[in-house]
Amino acid sequence: AQSVTQPDIHITVSEGASLELRCNYSYGATPYLFWYVQSPGQGLQLLLKYFSGDTLVQGIKGFEAEFKRSQSSFNLRKPSVHWSDAAEYFCAVAFTGGGNKLTFGTGTQLKVEL
Amino acid sequence: ETGVTQTPRHLVMGMTNKKSLKCEQHLGHNAMYWYKQSAKKPLELMFVYSLEERVENNSVPSRFSPECPNSSHLFLHLHTLQPEDSALYLCASSQEGRTSGNTIYFGEGSWLTVV
Repeated sequence: AQSVTQPDIHITVSEGASLELRCNYSYGATPYLFWYVQSPGQGLQLLLKYFSGDTLVQGIKGFEAEFKRSQSSFNLRKPSVHWSDAAEYFCAVAFTGGGNKLTFGTGTQLKVEL
Repeated sequence: ETGVTQTPRHLVMGMTNKKSLKCEQHLGHNAMYWYKQSAKKPLELMFVYSLEERVENNSVPSRFSPECPNSSHLFLHLHTLQPEDSALYLCASSQEGRTSGNTIYFGEGSWLTVV
């Protein structure tokens, strides 16, 4: 069965430090990949997505993610974290033939220390 | 600012009450979704409507009843809920085409507390 794994439940970084959030998926073919962010009490906002083409995708708020087929990964990165980036981050995949249904990881809670 | 709006944002209801959650999308999409987000659990897809027809019902209890009167509106009717149904209910929409993987846009959610 298809699955999405975010191995880090909580991550704490200092403001200005770099960030990498991990995401791995299990699927036999190339999925469609997404990262969403959820601030407290809010819905999910799309940060970026990968459908095809360049494996390094740029998103909003200075985030980027790289699709690595060999590692079945789609890790989210930001070179310098801001205090306002504190939120929960969700990796999600949609699988070919599955329509637009997303399968989500369990999320990574990011805390930013000033 | 979101193209998907949900009301109410917060709802407290008793187990014998009947209430409804409303969702409206302003993006011209043809598919709408209900997701449930509970603490410490992955988001769960509940229902999918495509072109106003229900195409997916993920074994959701009958006390949850969706309604999609047109492509812009989606309701979730709630009846005799249980305390474990307390969660954030997220509405979403997308444009379905010939290929999969179109982007899904979410509303801000409706926080439901069942007492």
